Amino acid sequence: DSGVTQTPKHLITATGQRVTLRCSPRSGDLSVYWYQQSLDQGLQFLIQYYNGEERAKGNILERFSAQQFPDLHSELNLSSLELGDSALYFCASSGNTGELFFGEGSRLTVL
Amino acid sequence: AQTVTQSQPEMSVQEAETVTLSCTYDTSESNYYLFWYKQPPSRQMILVIRQEAYKQQNATENRFSVNFQKAAKSFSLKISDSQLGDTAMYFCALGLNYGGSQGNLIFGKGTKLSVKP
Repeated sequence: DSGVTQTPKHLITATGQRVTLRCSPRSGDLSVYWYQQSLDQGLQFLIQYYNGEERAKGNILERFSAQQFPDLHSELNLSSLELGDSALYFCASSGNTGELFFGEGSRLTVL
Repeated sequence: AQTVTQSQPEMSVQEAETVTLSCTYDTSESNYYLFWYKQPPSRQMILVIRQEAYKQQNATENRFSVNFQKAAKSFSLKISDSQLGDTAMYFCALGLNYGGSQGNLIFGKGTKLSVKP
């Protein structure tokens, strides 16, 4: 158990819809990262938050947005969903030891 | 820009034997970390081993060890006494450290390792 909690674990929705993925980092970790992993692909960095503020942005589509709340949990909002958005979305957090600790992921299927 | 390259999309090894997974990276930064993560069929991302760039000594964790060649920007993973449970996708990753603040990790595309009985 990494200590990072992601909900929901599975989500099935239709094209054009909007979903919200939630992440609670490890206790004490200030940074939250979101990654997307499409089928048989590596992990693509989407966005990082540090203590409530956006720290770095990767290959995140304009249809996607994220935020980190005062209690440090984070939400990733995906809107106007397309078939190609079907993927495993990981949240991770880090302390000051370098490595990222990953949640179990949220598997999104867009039909 | 930072890049991580894993040139072996798939590998297989017999149980109890040794296998080495390759990884090369590129960065102009001097303060960074390198990692190997394992992703079994459960899809959970599990840290296998980490290496600080400033340390010359190669990291080891039980049956897992790395060969870190900083000048060549190479970071290979050796798995000794391979076990069926080692069957997984293995990702090499590069992380930058900005004065104590951890940046995001850049991942390679992965190597799918199959351990055969």
